Amino acid sequence: AQKVTQAQTEISVVEKEDVTLDCVYETRDTTYYLFWYKQPPSGELVFLIRRNSFDEQNEISGRYSWNFQKSTSSFNFTITASQVVDSAVYFCALRIYGNKLVFGAGTILRVKS
Amino acid sequence: DAGVTQSPTHLIKTRGQQVTLRCSPKSGHDTVSWYQQALGQGPQFIFQYYEEEERQRGNFPDRFSGHQFPNYSSELNVNALLLGDSALYLCASSPRGSPYEQYFGPGTRLTVT
Repeated sequence: AQKVTQAQTEISVVEKEDVTLDCVYETRDTTYYLFWYKQPPSGELVFLIRRNSFDEQNEISGRYSWNFQKSTSSFNFTITASQVVDSAVYFCALRIYGNKLVFGAGTILRVKS
Repeated sequence: DAGVTQSPTHLIKTRGQQVTLRCSPKSGHDTVSWYQQALGQGPQFIFQYYEEEERQRGNFPDRFSGHQFPNYSSELNVNALLLGDSALYLCASSPRGSPYEQYFGPGTRLTVT
C-alpha cells in the first residue's frame, strides 16, 4: 500500500523560530517521487519541492531545507527563522506510478508574531 | 503567463443535483488531474486526463466523470450529489513531457445542502 503520514496535525511557533515538519511514507516501489506543497488560506496548492527516490541529497532553498532519508522512509521539511507569511497548511505527497499523487493529511503551521 | 484557472470559485447545490466544474490548464500543459479535498484532509486523486482520454482513476464512484477538450481544458461532472461531496475540488495541470509535475489551480468550493 502507498501511504503518507504527517503525524503533526498542528504546530505553533513564534516568529524566527526554526520548525520541522515530519513526513513518513510507505511504498513497495523502488522508483518514486516525493513532494511538498504549501496551501495558504486562499486554497491553491503551491509546489515547493520534488525529490526522486534515487537522489538522497538534502536540499536547501533560502530558509527552506529538506532531509530525505530512505532508511527511515522520511522526507522532512525545515523552515529556518520562520515568518508569519509561512503560516499555511503543508502537505507531503508521494507519486508511485502514473501521475497520481498520494497526499498526507497535512500539517497546519501557525507562526505568531 | 496565466496559471491554472478554475470556475466557478464557489458553488452551492442541493442533494441529488448535478454539477459541472471547469479547469483551464497553464499554457504548454496538456495533462489535467482532478482532486477532491474534504475539510481538514489532504487532496484525494479523482482522475487524470491526457489526449482527451481518462488515463488514470482514483477510488471514486461512476457519479464522478470528466472530459478533456482539444484545447486541453477539462470538466469534472458529479451526478446525484450527496452531502459528502461537499469539498474543495482542485485541478492540476502538467507540462508536456513532465506529467508528474502538477501545478494546482485555486479550486472550486462545492457545498451540497
